[in-house]
Amino acid sequence: NAGVTQTPKFRVLKTGQSMTLLCAQDMNHEYMYWYRQDPGMGLRLIHYSVGEGTTAKGEVPDGYNVSRLKKQNFLLGLESAAPSQTSVYFCASRWGGQPQHFGDGTRLSIL
Amino acid sequence: DQQVKQNSPSLSVQEGRISILNCDYTNSMFDYFLWYKKYPAEGPTFLISISSIKDKNEDGRFTVFLNKSAKHLSLHIVPSQPGDSAVYFCAAKAQAGTALIFGKGTTLSVSS
Repeated sequence: NAGVTQTPKFRVLKTGQSMTLLCAQDMNHEYMYWYRQDPGMGLRLIHYSVGEGTTAKGEVPDGYNVSRLKKQNFLLGLESAAPSQTSVYFCASRWGGQPQHFGDGTRLSIL
Repeated sequence: DQQVKQNSPSLSVQEGRISILNCDYTNSMFDYFLWYKKYPAEGPTFLISISSIKDKNEDGRFTVFLNKSAKHLSLHIVPSQPGDSAVYFCAAKAQAGTALIFGKGTTLSVSS
C-alpha cells in the first residue's frame, strides 16, 4: 500500500547501543514528523522536517537526532540508547494543510 | 503543562447508542482541531477535523462540535458500532505552527 512505511517494526537494543529508524513516504509530502507514544502519554513530537534538508526540534528531542537527506525519507537516530527511550515510535507526513498520515509504528525496547 | 486534555481515559457504550468523546484545550492560539482513531498495532488514522471558524463539522456517523469560548470540543459517533472500538486522540494546531499537539487519548469500547 502507498503511504508511510516504517522500518523496522520491532527491535530490542541493549543500553548504549545505537540504531536508526527509517521512515519512507511515497506521497511527495513536504512535512515529516517523528513521535513517540508511551502508556498514558499520548503522542509526543520528537523532531520534524518541513522539507528536504531541514529539521527542527519538537517537544522531546533529547537523545535523538534526525536527518532528511531525501524528500521521501526521514531518519531517526539513537546514538546511545537508554531504557527511557523504550517506546513506540510513529512517523507521519503531510502535504500543505492536509492532515498527517501515520505509519504503523516501530516498537523499540531497550534493556 | 498539558495543552490538550482528554480527561476520560475510557468510555463504554452499547452498540447503536451515541458515543461522546470530549477534549479541552488551554492554548487560545489553536485554530485547527483533529480527531484521530487508533487500533492496536496500527498507526493513528485521521477521522475528522474542524477549523476554529466553524462550530460543527459532520461526516457520516461522526460529528465534531467546537465551543471556542469554553475551549472545548467533542466527537459524537451515532450510531456506535463495535468496529468503532479504538483509542481516539484529540489534536490541535496553531496557525503559525506546523506540529500537532495531542491529548492522551480515550479508549472507546462498543459492545454488541
